[in-house]
Amino acid sequence: AQKITQTQPGMFVQEKEAVTLDCTYDTSDPSYGLFWYKQPSSGEMIFLIYQGSYDQQNATEGRYSLNFQKARKSANLVISASQLGDSAMYFCAMREYMYSGGGADGLTFGKGTHLIIQP
Amino acid sequence: DAGVTQSPTHLIKTRGQQVTLRCSPKSGHDTVSWYQQALGQGPQFIFQYYEEEERQRGNFPDRFSGHQFPNYSSELNVNALLLGDSALYLCASSFGGRADNEQFFGPGTRLTVL
Repeated sequence: AQKITQTQPGMFVQEKEAVTLDCTYDTSDPSYGLFWYKQPSSGEMIFLIYQGSYDQQNATEGRYSLNFQKARKSANLVISASQLGDSAMYFCAMREYMYSGGGADGLTFGKGTHLIIQP
Repeated sequence: DAGVTQSPTHLIKTRGQQVTLRCSPKSGHDTVSWYQQALGQGPQFIFQYYEEEERQRGNFPDRFSGHQFPNYSSELNVNALLLGDSALYLCASSFGGRADNEQFFGPGTRLTVL
């Protein structure tokens, strides 16, 4: 079974509109973290936002916010006031913590959503 | 403050050959992870090095091996290259020991196997 599912292969959005990118995850680990990364055509992965499974509030970073619905195992990324420079691939990723101390473990990525912002 | 650097940028090899990719972590980071990203797919975790040892490994064959040096830099080695090994290889660094530590990615090495 897919651990990270991104159901939107591509999205077209008008500039200045808000956009929601969907992400659902599957884990039995009670302690996990969820990440969103942006990948422009240059290829480099750019960290956007992080949400821990025990965090009570939704994470926010500037124009990015994460709509975390734990019971639904959903972690959607919301970009407010989209800009042309937001056009890129967006990946949702999860880390499941193997060590009680929360060591650095590998990320599991979804297949991504290709977001295109139109003027 | 230099971020994560990788070399080379591009590489072309033929089937059966061996390749070594290199990564220097962000200053202050001690953990290096390697990912393979095939065209049109999300990155797949290969393995992670911490304190010069492989700490975790994804679902990749033994043809994929690595090393971490005392200065925390790392190498990824792939033996007996297959056409399917053609991909963007991403290195990510982080500071070990924190549960929410962010992984910073390098620009990647694009490997083409002919």
